[in-house]
Amino acid sequence: GENVEQHPSTLSVQEGDSAVIKCTYSDSASNYFPWYKQELGKRPQLIIDIRSNVGEKKDQRIAVTLNKTAKHFSLHITETQPEDSAVYFCAASLESGGYQKVTFGTGTKLQVIP
Amino acid sequence: GAVVSQHPSWVICKSGTSVKIECRSLDFQATTMFWYRQFPKQSLMLMATSNEGSKATYEQGVEKDKFLINHASLTLSTLTVTSAHPEDSSFYICSAILGGRIEKLFFGSGTQLSVL
Repeated sequence: GENVEQHPSTLSVQEGDSAVIKCTYSDSASNYFPWYKQELGKRPQLIIDIRSNVGEKKDQRIAVTLNKTAKHFSLHITETQPEDSAVYFCAASLESGGYQKVTFGTGTKLQVIP
Repeated sequence: GAVVSQHPSWVICKSGTSVKIECRSLDFQATTMFWYRQFPKQSLMLMATSNEGSKATYEQGVEKDKFLINHASLTLSTLTVTSAHPEDSSFYICSAILGGRIEKLFFGSGTQLSVL
């Protein structure tokens, strides 16, 4: 099955600096890669996603890049703010047995220091 | 965005009892719902995929007789932890897909289960 690895597990940055979280996946059939943000005590929320036919996608301060050949994708947050502090999960999704299956990375706890 | 409601938010029970957790899509019909387990400081581990009107598909290592899943309608899936034991204590969270599109995956608010 699919295996998704995520690094680092914790990340501390100064407010205004950039943060980068990296993920690798094992199944080349995966074709959809979402990123979720989970604030303490709350449900995960989709913040950005990318499909395998696209190399990069940007939404304001957040961007995601995908390297299909190397099977890795990254989340980039620029001009970080304290409210960006949360746990971020990457995921890889592929169709298996007639339904879509999502495998999550292990999560990165991001702390933005004011 | 679409709303997925999960109840209860937390439950404390005695060892040996069964606990039912409900996951409802409030403003859309969800033919597919997912159940996850999340340990402290760890990722979301997919337990099973629940399809309306059919048996759930369980992930390897998840006991189907232990974690009973029922998806009786297009807006409700339930997870029953049978004969709960302390090792079953965890955060359980569901998600539902809107319109069969994986991009429209919405999570419930989670249930913290503590088994004494």
